Amino acid sequence: AQKITQTQPGMFVQEKEAVTLDCTYDTSDPSYGLFWYKQPSSGEMIFLIYQGSYDQQNATEGRYSLNFQKARKSANLVISASQLGDSAMYFCAMRGLERAASKLTFGTGTRLQVTL
Amino acid sequence: EAQVTQNPRYLITVTGKKLTVTCSQNMNHEYMSWYRQDPGLGLRQIYYSMNVEVTDKGDVPEGYKVSRKEKRNFPLILESPSPNQTSLYFCASSRDRVEQYFGPGTRLTVT
Repeated sequence: AQKITQTQPGMFVQEKEAVTLDCTYDTSDPSYGLFWYKQPSSGEMIFLIYQGSYDQQNATEGRYSLNFQKARKSANLVISASQLGDSAMYFCAMRGLERAASKLTFGTGTRLQVTL
Repeated sequence: EAQVTQNPRYLITVTGKKLTVTCSQNMNHEYMSWYRQDPGLGLRQIYYSMNVEVTDKGDVPEGYKVSRKEKRNFPLILESPSPNQTSLYFCASSRDRVEQYFGPGTRLTVT
């Protein structure tokens, strides 16, 4: 079984500052993938970043980076230089990679509000 | 343009009236899934499909059916909708399990 925990229901950050969104996970799969998605108020789900459990380095995509700490089972999303357009709901998710089945398990999300 | 399309985007219906939400992807992906999103619960998987004619239940399959007769299409069927199926529904597809493309969502209200 897989479980994703996002303990911050809401976060505020000032424009141009960096912010970290927390995500911890639990799984019995020996190899797995970790994802972050953004859901703006318009409702669509936007893929942001992916980290494989076997990857040696933390994933980065532009202003997004994933702080992966395997021993702590955490996969926090760091957004640098926040912009007003970053205001959205953010979901952490994971998938086991051993089996062919493609189930993605989501956390309950963190609502980020970027202020002036 | 790579995309996942869903129709309809919005639907209001009454209890018991059968409905189908269509999902189509143009990326030749093998994996397709349906999720529902409810406030405070995140997204939960309803059904998934690993390829044509191969489907399996996710976390919340009760009250739903799916079929995968063609690789590109993965419709979600509600045979007898009930108010507790009022939700935001997403279809998703992926090639290599590393990334999933999501459709724009279907907001369903059952009265």
